[in-house]
Amino acid sequence: GAGVSQSPSNKVTEKGKDVELRCDPISGHTALYWYRQSLGQGLEFLIYFQGNSAPDKSGLPSDRFSAERTGGSVSTLTIQRTQQEDSAVYLCASSPGTGSFYGYGYTFGSGTRLTVV
Amino acid sequence: SQQGEEDPQALSIQEGENATMNCSYKTSINNLQWYRQNSGRGLVHLILIRSNEREKHSGRLRVTLDTSKKSSSLLITASRAADTASYFCATDDINTGGFKTIFGAGTRLFVKA
Repeated sequence: GAGVSQSPSNKVTEKGKDVELRCDPISGHTALYWYRQSLGQGLEFLIYFQGNSAPDKSGLPSDRFSAERTGGSVSTLTIQRTQQEDSAVYLCASSPGTGSFYGYGYTFGSGTRLTVV
Repeated sequence: SQQGEEDPQALSIQEGENATMNCSYKTSINNLQWYRQNSGRGLVHLILIRSNEREKHSGRLRVTLDTSKKSSSLLITASRAADTASYFCATDDINTGGFKTIFGAGTRLFVKA
């Protein structure tokens, strides 16, 4: 597509429920990134994909968080047994290559605002 | 701790004035980038400067990089009310293969009309 698309744009869920957040990157972008941003804070790195592979999962906050990417395209971030501290905006970005090593900037989606009540 | 840290945390200026934001980082890098964020949603890529570059311009933006001091600055000249946003610097870390980009906490810029 023309840009990075994230869905849903807003999600309110009850504590303890599972949620799935979706990211549809720009067509042809091999690299995909997930970040989390709490209110008024910077971006917290969660995970990146090169193709369908996630070489670095060290940013995932706990084992309740998982992510996958299929077909080198759409990615899903799943949070199991959500907690109130999971409330944040989850941002997805894609780039033609991995990271900034080759000088590619990231294109971000508009994010999913997750509220756990 | 943050790889990139911006200074100041907040900046309020009059329209037409210049705005300068600074960023410091900790490790060796391949590139440093600046992004803008409006209304707490998606970030927009502004400019990327490579580690072997010292200065780069794009329209009203001027970015400098001093790798010896591990610092960068973003200058917005002749600011406009529409420049009101949060600005983030972002760096890779070549010690991790340069495969992930770490963002600072950002500078909130408010331009008064």
